[in-house]
Amino acid sequence: EAGVVQSPRYKIIEKKQPVAFWCNPISGHNTLYWYRQNLGQGPELLIRYENEEAVDDSQLPKDRFSAERLKGVDSTLKIQPAELGDSAVYLCASSFRQAGWGTQYFGPGTRLTVL
Amino acid sequence: TQLLEQSPQFLSIQEGENLTVYCNSSSVFSSLQWYRQEPGEGPVLLVTVVTGGEVKKLKRLTFQFGDARKDSSLHITAAQPGDTGLYLCAGEGGASGSARQLTFGSGTQLTVLP
Repeated sequence: EAGVVQSPRYKIIEKKQPVAFWCNPISGHNTLYWYRQNLGQGPELLIRYENEEAVDDSQLPKDRFSAERLKGVDSTLKIQPAELGDSAVYLCASSFRQAGWGTQYFGPGTRLTVL
Repeated sequence: TQLLEQSPQFLSIQEGENLTVYCNSSSVFSSLQWYRQEPGEGPVLLVTVVTGGEVKKLKRLTFQFGDARKDSSLHITAAQPGDTGLYLCAGEGGASGSARQLTFGSGTQLTVLP
């Protein structure tokens, strides 16, 4: 079974440019997460989706970040405009949860470099 | 702001040595997870501990959840080069997280030299 797929794996852009990341979760997983991982740090949650509904986006910088999960499957995370401090690895994870906790499976991430 | 403090931040040891990594917080978590992350990959779940005082073993890895569910430790016996990676602890819930939110520690970068 395929794991969480993310693209692109690497992206280099200049500041003030827009950028988008794509995530395809594991088939059947109803919960999708976007995390940001700065160098030398653990991942920090940006947004969590339950099916197509964003249920936890308190850490998403809404002035420049946006996300969507159409039809409750694939998701995109967009930054516009990008700033130097946005350089990080953006991780997508998915899980299947009914009651209680479901194991999160992470994708390989997209490494963003903003020049 | 990371609520989970991991120590040490970096650890380099020789093959065959034992080591312990610590994960501490002032918050109580409903469960705590340990992950290993290799370069260019996402974190992979190793174990989940739920009950205060719980001990779980995974081959040469021993995980313990503190009695008060605020801290945890990971002990590796006879480390091997294949154990090299970034070890992350993550707590579910906690003071600043929702009931189903994971808060990650800053990680311990382990290097096992052959």
